[in-house]
Amino acid sequence: SQTIHQWPATLVQPVGSPLSLECTVEGTSNPNLYWYRQAAGRGLQLLFYSVGIGQISSEVPQNLSASRPQDRQFILSSKKLLLSDSGFYLCAWRRNGIGELFFGEGSRLTVL
Amino acid sequence: GENVEQHPSTLSVQEGDSAVIKCTYSDSASNYFPWYKQELGKRPQLIIDIRSNVGEKKDQRIAVTLNKTAKHFSLHITETQPEDSAVYFCAATPSNDYKLSFGAGTTVTVRA
Repeated sequence: SQTIHQWPATLVQPVGSPLSLECTVEGTSNPNLYWYRQAAGRGLQLLFYSVGIGQISSEVPQNLSASRPQDRQFILSSKKLLLSDSGFYLCAWRRNGIGELFFGEGSRLTVL
Repeated sequence: GENVEQHPSTLSVQEGDSAVIKCTYSDSASNYFPWYKQELGKRPQLIIDIRSNVGEKKDQRIAVTLNKTAKHFSLHITETQPEDSAVYFCAATPSNDYKLSFGAGTTVTVRA
């Protein structure tokens, strides 16, 4: 069966510090991978998606970036965090762009 | 791209009553319509989905209806229980699009 893991689960970072969130999927190959952000009490904002290694599509221009160094690994990064980067970050995967979207457990980021 | 609107944004129902959430979409090519439930602090999870070749689908106390002509679909929860309290998201996507377009979410509160 397929599983998705992301870490860390929670982190508190000062403004201007770097960020790295990591996500891995097990039990499938060539998944479509996604990063979403959810501000407190808000909806799901798609940040990046990837349909293959090294292929990244950005939905919202901002100080975040994403990379896919391996088939089942998706990383969200920032060089300098802003207060507005606080939120609940969700990694997700989908098989060949069809059917159900499976979410990871989420990473709660607080920027102070 | 696809644009999904969801109403109402909040819904309070008495335990045992029914809850209905409605979504409209803009892209007539959309053919996959999932509904996700997100409990507080948790990841969104699929509760039911429907494809465009079906008008209605039921799973125990939940059902989804789809009207392709009017481009709207609805989630129905019958005999609501306290554990139904959560945020519900609808989504839509065409088969040739890697992205799911989500509605803004509905916060459902079931009063005991």
